Amino acid sequence: AQSVTQPDIHITVSEGASLELRCNYSYGATPYLFWYVQSPGQGLQLLLKYFSGDTLVQGIKGFEAEFKRSQSSFNLRKPSVHWSDAAEYFCAVGAAYSGAGSYQLTFGKGTKLSVIP
Amino acid sequence: DAGVTQSPTHLIKTRGQQVTLRCSPKSGHDTVSWYQQALGQGPQFIFQYYEEEERQRGNFPDRFSGHQFPNYSSELNVNALLLGDSALYLCASSSNRGRETQYFGPGTRLLVL
Repeated sequence: AQSVTQPDIHITVSEGASLELRCNYSYGATPYLFWYVQSPGQGLQLLLKYFSGDTLVQGIKGFEAEFKRSQSSFNLRKPSVHWSDAAEYFCAVGAAYSGAGSYQLTFGKGTKLSVIP
Repeated sequence: DAGVTQSPTHLIKTRGQQVTLRCSPKSGHDTVSWYQQALGQGPQFIFQYYEEEERQRGNFPDRFSGHQFPNYSSELNVNALLLGDSALYLCASSSNRGRETQYFGPGTRLLVL
C-alpha cells in the first residue's frame, strides 16, 4: 500500500526567506505526486503535480517541486515566501487502479507553514 | 465555469443519526471521490464513483455509503453517526480520461455531538 510522510509538522519562516517542505512517499510503481495547499476552513487547492517526464515541476504561486526517485522524495520549494503563503501544505501520492483511468490519493499529515512579517 | 460545489457547508448531528452530504462536480468531470479529513490530519480516501457505481473504496465501514446520479453529482451517506465521524468531508471531481487532476470542493464540516 502507498504511504506519504511529511516529517515537519510545523515550519516558521520569515517573509522573503526561502522555503523547502519535505515529502517522502512509498509506492511500488511510478507514482503520481501532488502538492495541495489548504487555508483555514477551506478545501484543497492544487499547487503542482508530477506524472512523468521532467523531474522538476513548476506550479502556481511561484512554487516548484523536484521528484527524486532514488530518495523517494518530492520536496516543495519556493525561493521567497510571502505572508499570504501561510497555510497547511499536503503532499499526496496517487495510486492508479488497474484498467481504470483514475486513481485514489493518499495524503501525508500535512505541514503547517507560519510566516513572520 | 463553476468549480466543485458541496452542500451544506456545516452540519451538526447527534450520535446515532444519519447524514447526507452532496457534491456537484466541476463541469466536464464524470468521476467523484470522497475524502474525510479529521482535525489535524490529512484527508483519507473514502470511495470513488464513476458511471454511477462505486469503483474503489478506502478503509471505511459500511456505515459510509454513496451514490452517483446520471448528471454525475454525488451523495455521501453516513448512518449511525459516531463522535469520531466529526470531520471535514471533501469531495473531489476528475475526468476518467486518466492522469487527470482531482479538484476539491470547499468541504462540509460535520460535527457529531
